[in-house]
Amino acid sequence: NAGVTQTPKFQVLKTGQSMTLQCAQDMNHEYMSWYRQDPGMGLRLIHYSVGAGITDQGEVPNGYNVSRSTTEDFPLRLLSAAPSQTSVYFCASSSLAGGLEQYFGPGTRLTVL
Amino acid sequence: RKEVEQDPGPFNVPEGATVAFNCTYSNSASQSFFWYRQDCRKEPKLLMSVYSSGNEDGRFTAQLNRASQYISLLIRDSKLSDSATYLCVVNTRGGSQGNLIFGKGTKLSVKP
Repeated sequence: NAGVTQTPKFQVLKTGQSMTLQCAQDMNHEYMSWYRQDPGMGLRLIHYSVGAGITDQGEVPNGYNVSRSTTEDFPLRLLSAAPSQTSVYFCASSSLAGGLEQYFGPGTRLTVL
Repeated sequence: RKEVEQDPGPFNVPEGATVAFNCTYSNSASQSFFWYRQDCRKEPKLLMSVYSSGNEDGRFTAQLNRASQYISLLIRDSKLSDSATYLCVVNTRGGSQGNLIFGKGTKLSVKP
């Protein structure tokens, strides 16, 4: 199993550009989530999903959209990139039966100029 | 009071030492608790879940104190490879609600 995969690994955007961060998992996990990690701030939840067609907001959802059309995929869309969105983004998945023990992808390092 | 608080460290310890980290949480209704390990510029990885009765995995022992609202992680016989940041994670809603709150992490550096 590949586990949780994320693409791209690195990305540089200009202010105002949009892009989609891809996340996929092959463990048939119901729960998927997106976090951002900033120095001194720890990991903060952006959006999460408990199954296909169901998404909800986390702690810092503004400026981001998600959708969950399949169990495997959970893309994160930046609508109009801002320098404040410079961060490392992690996607994670877990089985709802497993107490939400999260498996993380390798992360996407995003810089917005 | 912040939802999940950890001492950021760094904890600098010699090889073979025993080191303990605490993590406090504010929501008394929190349902599940975890310790994750994160190496520099890598993704967090689950180290262990924390059960009410306490649990041990080799050199690592995790405990939960619901009355005082804290969890702890004890590492015995520290190895150089234990150097990392240790993240405390609390699920404040339980079940499928998925409100996982991460602490900012405690940095451990094990020296030869």
